[in-house]
Amino acid sequence: ILNVEQSPQSLHVQEGDSTNFTCSFPSSNFYALHWYRWETAKSPEALFVMTLNGDEKKKGRISATLNTKEGYSYLYIKGSQPEDSATYLCAFSGGYNKLIFGAGTRLAVHP
Amino acid sequence: GAGVSQSPSNKVTEKGKDVELRCDPISGHTALYWYRQSLGQGLEFLIYFQGNSAPDKSGLPSDRFSAERTGGSVSTLTIQRTQQEDSAVYLCASSLAGGSSYEQYFGPGTRLTVT
Repeated sequence: ILNVEQSPQSLHVQEGDSTNFTCSFPSSNFYALHWYRWETAKSPEALFVMTLNGDEKKKGRISATLNTKEGYSYLYIKGSQPEDSATYLCAFSGGYNKLIFGAGTRLAVHP
Repeated sequence: GAGVSQSPSNKVTEKGKDVELRCDPISGHTALYWYRQSLGQGLEFLIYFQGNSAPDKSGLPSDRFSAERTGGSVSTLTIQRTQQEDSAVYLCASSLAGGSSYEQYFGPGTRLTVT
């Protein structure tokens, strides 16, 4: 059974803090790792798709790294803003078309 | 441009009734996915369509669940004889092509409540 673990489960930070969370996935048969942001009452929105070991992606204040050999990815948010409050999902693909999603990290940024 | 749309947005049904959920993917996207999120759980893969290939139904939880995709566009997920454990948010996503290196674009979901 393929397992994707995300930690922490939830996180409360103050506006301006930088934060990061972890996604752990099987280190064998890696094909792709996705990160999505899911705001309440909205659709999940793609942040990054990473396919190569050592990949680093950046979009504004958000960045992600990937280590396929040890099976983890980090998502970083620099200078958190209240609008960053959302659930951040990672999803692993082992070479098949379907994604295995983690349970998500729920981030709350307080003004 | 238009994103993925789903209907209805909310559905309340009685146990034992059949329901149909609809998904309109982004025009030109060849791949279409159905997921569901039950309370307190992560997104669970249900079924995947890619072009004219046979769908990957490996995530359907029981034979009460079926889906079809007509003309390579609109998809309908049907749940027969609904049970309370079917209550969940059902999400549809599409991507430009098949294969998990493509990002998926999600619809707003259908919240199904079985009473």
